Amino acid sequence: DTAVSQTPKYLVTQMGNDKSIKCEQNLGHDTMYWYKQDSKKFLKIMFSYNNKELIINETVPNRFSPKSPDKAHLNLHINSLELGDSAVYFCASRGLGHEQFFGPGTRLTVL
Amino acid sequence: GNSVTQMEGPVTLSEEAFLTINCTYTATGYPSLFWYVQYPGEGLQLLLKATKADDKGSNKGFEATYRKETTSFHLEKGSVQVSDSAVYFCALFAYSGAGSYQLTFGKGTKLSVIP
Repeated sequence: DTAVSQTPKYLVTQMGNDKSIKCEQNLGHDTMYWYKQDSKKFLKIMFSYNNKELIINETVPNRFSPKSPDKAHLNLHINSLELGDSAVYFCASRGLGHEQFFGPGTRLTVL
Repeated sequence: GNSVTQMEGPVTLSEEAFLTINCTYTATGYPSLFWYVQYPGEGLQLLLKATKADDKGSNKGFEATYRKETTSFHLEKGSVQVSDSAVYFCALFAYSGAGSYQLTFGKGTKLSVIP
């Protein structure tokens, strides 16, 4: 069974469109995250949710909005996509041991 | 704030060579330390971890020791294989302010192992 899953794996879209990326974890963890990985592989945290409550928002444009319908899901909605949003987006969840478990990533390409 | 500095790559080694990837950190309090590995086209996988000073994390022949006195967590492997080719990330988990804890990553080191 996949611990942290994301859909879609690839997303190609035009500038100005709105898109969503879904994330689900079956580990029973309370905390989930979204990260952005740029073309140089640098990882930057975007959001964290602890049991459906936002606890981190790292200066991300408000075009990005996380939504957590329950503690097993953390979706990322992006409005008015821009070229600079092209990146790989990773979802992760955290257990009690501080280590995080990552999803396979969603490669977003904005044309 | 918290930060992680790791040696810049890319690193290219021949099969069976010895590997060291240096990692140093700055953190508030007593962080937990991690090495993650990212194989091409995949997500990050936890490679090993250490939660307190002098702990040694190990997995798949890789080792790293939590050195509080030098604030370091260098990754080593005695004999690399082609299948070890990947990007390696050093990371720490610590208090980041405003009542929250956060995982902070280094910039990653790309390792290529040639036969």
